[in-house]
Amino acid sequence: DIQMTQSPSSLSASVGDRVTITCQASQDIINFLNWYQQKPGKAPKLLIYDASNLETGVPSRFSGSGSGTDFTFTISSLQPEDIATYYCQQYGFTFGPGTKVNIK
Amino acid sequence: EVQLVESGGGLIQPGGSLRLSCAASGFTSSVKYMSWVRQAPGKGLEWVSVIYTGGRTFYADSVKGRFTISRDDSKNTLSLQMNSLRAEDAAVYYCARGSRSSSYAFDVWGQGTMVTVSS
Repeated sequence: DIQMTQSPSSLSASVGDRVTITCQASQDIINFLNWYQQKPGKAPKLLIYDASNLETGVPSRFSGSGSGTDFTFTISSLQPEDIATYYCQQYGFTFGPGTKVNIK
Repeated sequence: EVQLVESGGGLIQPGGSLRLSCAASGFTSSVKYMSWVRQAPGKGLEWVSVIYTGGRTFYADSVKGRFTISRDDSKNTLSLQMNSLRAEDAAVYYCARGSRSSSYAFDVWGQGTMVTVSS
């Protein structure tokens, strides 16, 4: 089975900061990597699919990159409404452990 | 409006059975795949099962042999039959629609239904 790791597990940043989350797969998953946002008490929301494609309606401050085993998710300018937990997901459907993003 | 609405959750004793349903509305074309994802209290997301058009199914090792996923496209309904339930199956269960843009992403999610396993 492919294992996914995410780092950091949590972070605090100021409004306007650039935030970066990494996701690493235990084997090559090409570009088959998605990113989700989950706010407390809510269902997850797809933000990025196939490593770098922005889902329709998602703000452009969110972006993704990477291929193979190493992937990056970036919020270019953190906003208060971005407080959430972010999960990566690989093509076998399994999710990473999540990264909780807070405002400093 | 595209919508998924889960139902069927509740309190069940260990060893018991429960059937979850997910009613889909707002999209008329057949969806390539539908899935169940669960989240135990305070924990991360755990993929449970997927069913493709044509009926092919896959399960997480943690539920294989105990859970059965099914879909009725004529009724726009996804189901999850859960047998031999364990305490560790307690979670919010989400149904999710397979993305049209990707082969394994989920672009629409329901609000979730809570399953509690306790005596």
